[in-house]
Parts: sequence; C-alpha cells; structure tokens
Amino acid sequence: QKEVEQNSGPLSVPEGAIASLNCTYSDRGSQSFFWYRQYSGKSPELIMSIYSNGDKEDGRFTAQLNKASQYVSLLIRDSQPSDSATYLCAVNPRRDKIIFGKGTRLHILP
Amino acid sequence: GAVVSQHPSWVICKSGTSVKIECRSLDFQATTMFWYRQFPKQSLMLMATSNEGSKATYEQGVEKDKFLINHASLTLSTLTVTSAHPEDSSFYICSARDGSDEQFFGPGTRLTVL
Repeated sequence: QKEVEQNSGPLSVPEGAIASLNCTYSDRGSQSFFWYRQYSGKSPELIMSIYSNGDKEDGRFTAQLNKASQYVSLLIRDSQPSDSATYLCAVNPRRDKIIFGKGTRLHILP
Repeated sequence: GAVVSQHPSWVICKSGTSVKIECRSLDFQATTMFWYRQFPKQSLMLMATSNEGSKATYEQGVEKDKFLINHASLTLSTLTVTSAHPEDSSFYICSARDGSDEQFFGPGTRLTVL
C-alpha cells in the first residue's frame, strides 16, 4: 500500500460547481496534513494545512480530515478556470519529512 | 506564508560540467531544507533532506557523490549537480520548513544539459 494515495484524474468539473479531491494515507500515526496546488511548469504552493479531525475552511477551500478512516479531502467551491491544476496531498507521519501523493489533475470546464 | 527563493531559475549547460543551484529562505530560518526533482508530467521525487551543519540524508537511489548538498547556514542550501549529463535534465525544486510542520517551496530551477 502506498503511503499517500490519490486518484490521478483528470477530474473534470464545470465552472461554478464544487470540486472534491480525495486522499488516503497509510500511517495511522500521522498528525499533519497538507494540500498543495501545482500549476504546470511551476513549483507546488501550499494552500491548506489541517491537523485535527473535522473541517477547516479558508475562502473557497475546505479541507476535511478523518483520522479514523485515514482520509483527507479538499473541497473547492465555486470552481474557477484558474483552479485548474494538479493538487498534491501531503502527510507528515514523522517529524523529518512530508510524504506526497502523486497528485490529482483538476480541470475546470468553462 | 514563508518565502523561499531559488537561483538560477533556469540553466543550460554542456554535458560533463557542474551546476550549482542555490535555495534561500528569505524571511525565516530553516534548519531543514529538502531537494526534489520532477520530470515532465511526473510526480515530485524527494532527492535528499538537507540539515544545517550536518550531512544531507539522501533517498534511496540518489547518488550523493553526483548531487552534492551543502547547508552551510540557516538560510542557504545548495545543490551541485556534478558532471551533468542529459538524463539529469529536470526541474529541481527546493523547499524549507519554517519551524512548523508546514513546508514551503522555492520556484524551481529548470536544468537542461546539452
């Protein structure tokens, strides 16, 4: 089992709709969870961090964490074409390094 | 968020030469920095973890004598690709932690080896 798993996509969502991105992780002791956005040809950009069970909202973005199910998700409301990118889920199971998923490509249809 | 810079943003070199890439944390001190490589349409690959004042920890399969890492200060880590070959052409990205668990990426360096 891979440490951090994401559906590679592409996930196509109409403009204005909600995009839902999912991620599962294998290390039950993980404490820190992150979502990064990466545009083509650019480096990743941190958009959300979440540390406790439940929801965390920041603008149009909501991160959801369920440690019992080892599941973390990212919801993007009112999706815009500028949200089209690859979204990387990252988990910190230990203090030394973050483990990244392979990313989900999101395509917002205008 | 914290700001990380990289220099150069792109470099073209001849096969057999060495290339140095700098990574700087601009507004925070980073005891730990990370170096990644990413080939087109592929996922990030962690190459090594760079710790200030000590030797870097390399991931399995990464040649430490080819990819030299120096983390001489709390704001600067360098990656030197020695005797570069065309297969080393890639997008090299550094990142740094600001004391929390959050990790911030530099803008990346695109290396092309002719």
